[in-house]
Amino acid sequence: AQTVTQSQPEMSVQEAETVTLSCTYDTSESNYYLFWYKQPPSRQMILVIRQEAYKQQNATENRFSVNFQKAAKSFSLKISDSQLGDTAMYFCAFTLVWGSNTGKLIFGQGTTLQVKP
Amino acid sequence: GAGVSQSPSNKVTEKGKDVELRCDPISGHTALYWYRQSLGQGLEFLIYFQGNSAPDKSGLPSDRFSAERTGGSVSTLTIQRTQQEDSAVYLCASSSLGGSNQPQHFGDGTRLSIL
Repeated sequence: AQTVTQSQPEMSVQEAETVTLSCTYDTSESNYYLFWYKQPPSRQMILVIRQEAYKQQNATENRFSVNFQKAAKSFSLKISDSQLGDTAMYFCAFTLVWGSNTGKLIFGQGTTLQVKP
Repeated sequence: GAGVSQSPSNKVTEKGKDVELRCDPISGHTALYWYRQSLGQGLEFLIYFQGNSAPDKSGLPSDRFSAERTGGSVSTLTIQRTQQEDSAVYLCASSSLGGSNQPQHFGDGTRLSIL
């Protein structure tokens, strides 16, 4: 079975600084996708960034980037120039890639990030 | 609107009652997912619909839970004889195609409270 672990329940960062959220996962499969989702108090889950396991290049979306270490099964999220609007709960998620895969997501427990002015 | 719509936003009911939660996916999205978010269990997959294929019900926690999707669009998640442990936020997501290739778009969820 696949599992996703986020070891930091809560983090805080000063506005404009950089913060890194950690995620590790466990799978015996070699082909999968990894995601970071953001959930603000409004509850809506918003996709932040996606990484395909067969791509060695780390994904980047504006101020958000990942450090994907496949051998270590690690997938951390770096937020640069943190903004007050980044305050939210962040979830790391995993899904397998195979012919009959439904795309169902396996989530970590989440990290609550507070950006302080 | 253009996003995934869920109703009601909040639902409070007494233990033992049946509840129905509704999800209206993004127009044209063929894949629909239900997840449950609770304090004790985190975010869990419940059920998946893709077009006319048989749903993947592997995440449903008990036979009190069921879901249907009529006409390939709107989905209803039904919980019978509710228990206090059913208290959670129920999230619906849709994607343009099933499988891992397409991102899932989530609704705002229904917060269910069982008294």
